[in-house]
Amino acid sequence: GESVGLHLPTLSVQEGDNSIINCAYSNSASDYFIWYKQESGKGPQFIIDIRSNMDKRQGQRVTVLLNKTVKHLSLQIAATQPGDSAVYFCAENSSGATNKLIFGTGTLLAVQP
Amino acid sequence: ETGVTQSPTHLIKTRGQQVTLRCSSQSGHNTVSWYQQALGQGPQFIFQYYREEENGRGNFPPRFSGLQFPNYSSELNVNALELDDSALYLCASSLVRGVVDNEQFFGPGTRLTVL
Repeated sequence: GESVGLHLPTLSVQEGDNSIINCAYSNSASDYFIWYKQESGKGPQFIIDIRSNMDKRQGQRVTVLLNKTVKHLSLQIAATQPGDSAVYFCAENSSGATNKLIFGTGTLLAVQP
Repeated sequence: ETGVTQSPTHLIKTRGQQVTLRCSSQSGHNTVSWYQQALGQGPQFIFQYYREEENGRGNFPPRFSGLQFPNYSSELNVNALELDDSALYLCASSLVRGVVDNEQFFGPGTRLTVL
């Protein structure tokens, strides 16, 4: 079957440090990946995406890296802030007429002031 | 905020009952997807509606059904509720069906508890 991500781990960082959240995916045919942030009581919020023909993409304070050889995705957050505390999910978007998202179980990021 | 709204916010039902959850998509979005998110897990795709027709379904039994209306709002219906149906139900709308990098905008979800 298809699966993305790991069992929910927790990453604890100090405010101002850089954070790296990792994700493994299993469907080598996937061609689009997204990172979502989910705060308590809210729906997932889009952070950044990357297509399979890219290795790296940068946004504001965030960078996504894609390694297709080992089917690995990572999210780097620079200068982590307390407002970054949330659960982060990687998701895979399958091609075709139904662009359903396949999510992993997420990583809880806890930012210590 | 994404502009996707869901109602109700919270709901408590008992086993065997039926429930209807509602979603209003972001303005102009004609595609709505529903996801189930169990506690501590990632969302799981239930099904998608495009222009009032089901456009793909995940691994959920037939007692999970849906509708999409001409204004693109949508309903998720669950019959014969089971304890394991307790979850956060998320609705996501998007503009174009079938485009792989088409962003989906999520609503805040409906928390369903089955006793």
